Amino acid sequence: EDQVTQSPEALRLQEGESSSLNCSYTVSGLRGLFWYRQDPGKGPEFLFTLYSAGEEKEKERLKATLTKKESFLHITAPKPEDSATYLCAVQAVAGGSYIPTFGRGTSLIVHP
Amino acid sequence: EPEVTQTPSHQVTQMGQEVILRCVPISNHLYFYWYRQILGQKVEFLVSFYNNEISEKSEIFDDQFSVERPDGSNFTLKIRSTKLEDSAMYFCASSGRTSYNEQFFGPGTRLTVL
Repeated sequence: EDQVTQSPEALRLQEGESSSLNCSYTVSGLRGLFWYRQDPGKGPEFLFTLYSAGEEKEKERLKATLTKKESFLHITAPKPEDSATYLCAVQAVAGGSYIPTFGRGTSLIVHP
Repeated sequence: EPEVTQTPSHQVTQMGQEVILRCVPISNHLYFYWYRQILGQKVEFLVSFYNNEISEKSEIFDDQFSVERPDGSNFTLKIRSTKLEDSAMYFCASSGRTSYNEQFFGPGTRLTVL
């Protein structure tokens, strides 16, 4: 069974304090790994898709990286508006299915 | 900027009643999805829809659920006989180029079954 585990469950940072969120996965062949941001009471907002180990993508203060077993979402000098839940989802190759499996998310709070 | 819209934002229903959740995907998108998120739990895939038919469905999407694209703009999720455990946020999403890349999610419908 495909597994996606995100850590930590919750993270509190001071404004400007850089950190990383982790998404470890166990799938029988990775088709793609997705990062989303979710604000309270809203739908997930797409951030990145990563396909192969070694790939990196950046957007403003966020940088996503991928290895064969995990992905990191690095947040550089975060601001209070970066406060949200960050979701990771993986899509496996096996069986021709495109169904994504989501992790439980990391709740990030950035204090001013 | 184009966005996915969903109505209603909150639906309260009695157990056993039928509900229809409505979504308007982004106009030039070809792939449509429904997800649900029980309070405090992870997002779960329900169904994907392409070319007027279901592409994939999860184990959650049993005979009580159905989807329809009745016209060129709306995409609906019907739950025929709601159960207490159907209470959740239901998200519609759409994507353009290929399935599952850059999915754009709507704001969700909170379904409460009493």
